[in-house]
Amino acid sequence: EPEVTQTPSHQVTQMGQEVILRCVPISNHLYFYWYRQILGQKVEFLVSFYNNEISEKSEIFDDQFSVERPDGSNFTLKIRSTKLEDSAMYFCASSLWDRQETQYFGPGTRLLVL
Amino acid sequence: GIQVEQSPPDLILQEGANSTLRCNFSDSVNNLQWFHQNPWGQLINLFYIPSGTKQNGRLSATTVATERYSLLYISSSQTTDSGVYFCAPYGGGGLTFGKGTHLIIQP
Repeated sequence: EPEVTQTPSHQVTQMGQEVILRCVPISNHLYFYWYRQILGQKVEFLVSFYNNEISEKSEIFDDQFSVERPDGSNFTLKIRSTKLEDSAMYFCASSLWDRQETQYFGPGTRLLVL
Repeated sequence: GIQVEQSPPDLILQEGANSTLRCNFSDSVNNLQWFHQNPWGQLINLFYIPSGTKQNGRLSATTVATERYSLLYISSSQTTDSGVYFCAPYGGGGLTFGKGTHLIIQP
């Protein structure tokens, strides 16, 4: 069964550094998403992406964040200057052709900002 | 945005017991998913259930969209069912997750 994959599984970085989290969505899916989960809290929506542009974003997704589909398979989340409060599990997800369809989640990247 | 409430927040059961987890949401939705977050933090997709009833083995789910709630049933619980169960309706933007039900199944 096709899966969403994410790399790295864990990343430790220093405050102020840039990080790029990578995702490979399911190959024929058209909608891509990023969510995050701060330890012990609920999962929160960050951004959705369709046809090479952001379709929706939450208040959390400020100028520090950006997303990109650099090629036909990868989908990335960049955090420009990390803060301590960016420490969280980041999940990538994809859905076939509509935001209201089943979203399939990757295993997550655990980011720790020191 | 849409508000999601899950109950109970915590549930401790013996192996073999049955349980019902509830999810209330504040607005009409076109998508609702149930997830199991395992101890490693992975989100396992259980059901896509905007309305009606579905069953998958020992698990089943029912969504009554007109009354804005969904139920997840777990029968004959096993220790591997332990974890956090999230309800996540889609009401615009991305999925809106509830705070989850933390389920512990004791042997």
